[in-house]
Amino acid sequence: GENVEQHPSTLSVQEGDSAVIKCTYSDSASNYFPWYKQELGKGPQLIIDIRSNVGEKKDQRIAVTLNKTAKHFSLHITETQPEDSAVYFCAASPGRAAGNKLTFGGGTRVLVKP
Amino acid sequence: GAVVSQHPSWVICKSGTSVKIECRSLDFQATTMFWYRQFPKQSLMLMATSNEGSKATYEQGVEKDKFLINHASLTLSTLTVTSAHPEDSSFYICSASPHTDTQYFGPGTRLTVL
Repeated sequence: GENVEQHPSTLSVQEGDSAVIKCTYSDSASNYFPWYKQELGKGPQLIIDIRSNVGEKKDQRIAVTLNKTAKHFSLHITETQPEDSAVYFCAASPGRAAGNKLTFGGGTRVLVKP
Repeated sequence: GAVVSQHPSWVICKSGTSVKIECRSLDFQATTMFWYRQFPKQSLMLMATSNEGSKATYEQGVEKDKFLINHASLTLSTLTVTSAHPEDSSFYICSASPHTDTQYFGPGTRLTVL
């Protein structure tokens, strides 16, 4: 089955700096890669996603890149703010046609220091 | 859009009793719903996939007789933890998927078994 590795497990950045989280996956059949933000005591919130036919996607301060050949994808947060502090999870899925199951990475705890 | 609710948000029960958790998609029809369990400071682990009108598919190691899942309509799935024990204490989160790859998560239910 799919295996998703996520690094780093914790990340501390100064407000205004950039944060980068990297994930690798093992199953070449995966073609959908969402990123979720989870605040303490809450459910995960989808912040951005990318599909295998796209190499990069950007939404304001958040961007995701995908390298299918190397089987890795990354989340970039620019101009970090204290409200970006949370746990971030990457995930991989073979898509709806193959059951839509998400395999999550281990999570990255991001702390943005004011 | 794409709002998923869960009820209750937290529940405390005695060992040996059963607890039912509801998951609803509020503004879309969900052909597939998923149930996850999350222990403190850990990632999300998929328990089962629920398709409307059919039996749930459980992940390896998840006891289907202990975690009963019913997906009675396109907007409602329920998880019943039967004969709960302290080791079942966890954060249970559902997600719902419309006719796309994307999964939208509920706010979670914290279960404490005394």
